[in-house]
Amino acid sequence: DTGVSQNPRHKITKRGQNVTFRCDPISEHNRLYWYRQTLGQGPEFLTYFQNEAQLEKSRLLSDRFSAERPKGSFSTLEIQRTEQGDSAMYLCASSSSGLAGGNEQFFGPGTRLTVL
Amino acid sequence: EDQVTQSPEALRLQEGESSSLNCSYTVSGLRGLFWYRQDPGKGPEFLFTLYSAGEEKEKERLKATLTKKESFLHITAPKPEDSATYLCAVQTYNTDKLIFGTGTRLQVFP
Repeated sequence: DTGVSQNPRHKITKRGQNVTFRCDPISEHNRLYWYRQTLGQGPEFLTYFQNEAQLEKSRLLSDRFSAERPKGSFSTLEIQRTEQGDSAMYLCASSSSGLAGGNEQFFGPGTRLTVL
Repeated sequence: EDQVTQSPEALRLQEGESSSLNCSYTVSGLRGLFWYRQDPGKGPEFLFTLYSAGEEKEKERLKATLTKKESFLHITAPKPEDSATYLCAVQTYNTDKLIFGTGTRLQVFP
């Protein structure tokens, strides 16, 4: 049973550096989502793709953040010029569209980012 | 603005002591309400989806119910392994994103 995978699991970086995370969704899922979670909070939506098209981005998403899903399979999330406030768990989820009644999103284990 | 509120923030139970977690929501048009379980340092694990008022779903010691304004997650005779944070999320007809509450941190003591 291959679920959603994310790499790396942990990333420590210095302020001002760029970081990139990767997400591999469940193979038959065409929708892919990125969320961010800080301690004591629920996940907060960042952006999502259907196949290779980016359909929605959060208004709160800084222009330092960019996401791609070039071939409609895996996705990358890049953060440029990291700030200490970017420290969080970055979660990826995937789902299938078109199923009757079902749009459950299945989450990966997350990437923990620490910005020093 | 679409909003989800969960209560209590934290709950301590003795093993076998049944209780309920609450998720109240205010949304423009509910497409689905989701319950997830999250263990420390891990991603949320899907539990249930509810679509319409009056719907109920069960899984082992957990039962989720839905009304027009709130959802309950009932835990019957909990065990220590049920200790986790339980997250509620809603999805509207306007978007595919999930809007999460802040969760209820459940601790079950033997």
